[in-house]
Amino acid sequence: DSGVTQTPKHLITATGQRVTLRCSPRSGDLSVYWYQQSLDQGLQFLIQYYNGEERAKGNILERFSAQQFPDLHSELNLSSLELGDSALYFCASSVEVGQETQYFGPGTRLLVL
Amino acid sequence: GNSVTQMEGPVTLSEEAFLTINCTYTATGYPSLFWYVQYPGEGLQLLLKATKADDKGSNKGFEATYRKETTSFHLEKGSVQVSDSAVYFCALSDRSGGGSQGNLIFGKGTKLSVKP
Repeated sequence: DSGVTQTPKHLITATGQRVTLRCSPRSGDLSVYWYQQSLDQGLQFLIQYYNGEERAKGNILERFSAQQFPDLHSELNLSSLELGDSALYFCASSVEVGQETQYFGPGTRLLVL
Repeated sequence: GNSVTQMEGPVTLSEEAFLTINCTYTATGYPSLFWYVQYPGEGLQLLLKATKADDKGSNKGFEATYRKETTSFHLEKGSVQVSDSAVYFCALSDRSGGGSQGNLIFGKGTKLSVKP
């Protein structure tokens, strides 16, 4: 158990819908990262937050957004969902920005029908 | 930009066989290198890491050495067990933005199956 929690574990929805994925980092970790794992693209970095502020962006679509709240949990919002958004979404956390060892949550499996 | 290339799988071995999974990288600067493991139905777990050239990371019988001259970080284990069956990911920390954001760039993963 990494100490990073993600909810829900599974999510099934329809095209065009909007979903919110939630992540709670390890106790004391200030930095949160979101990654997408799909069969064709592999594991890709989406976005990073540190202590409530956005720090880095990767291959994140404009339909996707995220935020980190004062209690340090983070949410990833996916809107106007398409079939191709079906993937496993991981959250990871680390103590500081640039503290490179990241601890991953169990992931949320999203299926868009 | 930065990238990681690792050998395609799947790799199937018998128990107690020697394992090598090749990983090479392209990066500006001096990234840290990682191996993560993903067991079926689970998230990624850090297996080992190395932060500078010639460092050797090791854990649970697995080893990898940071080779700057060959830009490689190959994973090895002398005697695999059935319980090692999983997907292994090589990764580097991305410092190409000039900052210390530390997000990871992953290889595509190598699936290892160990037969009794």
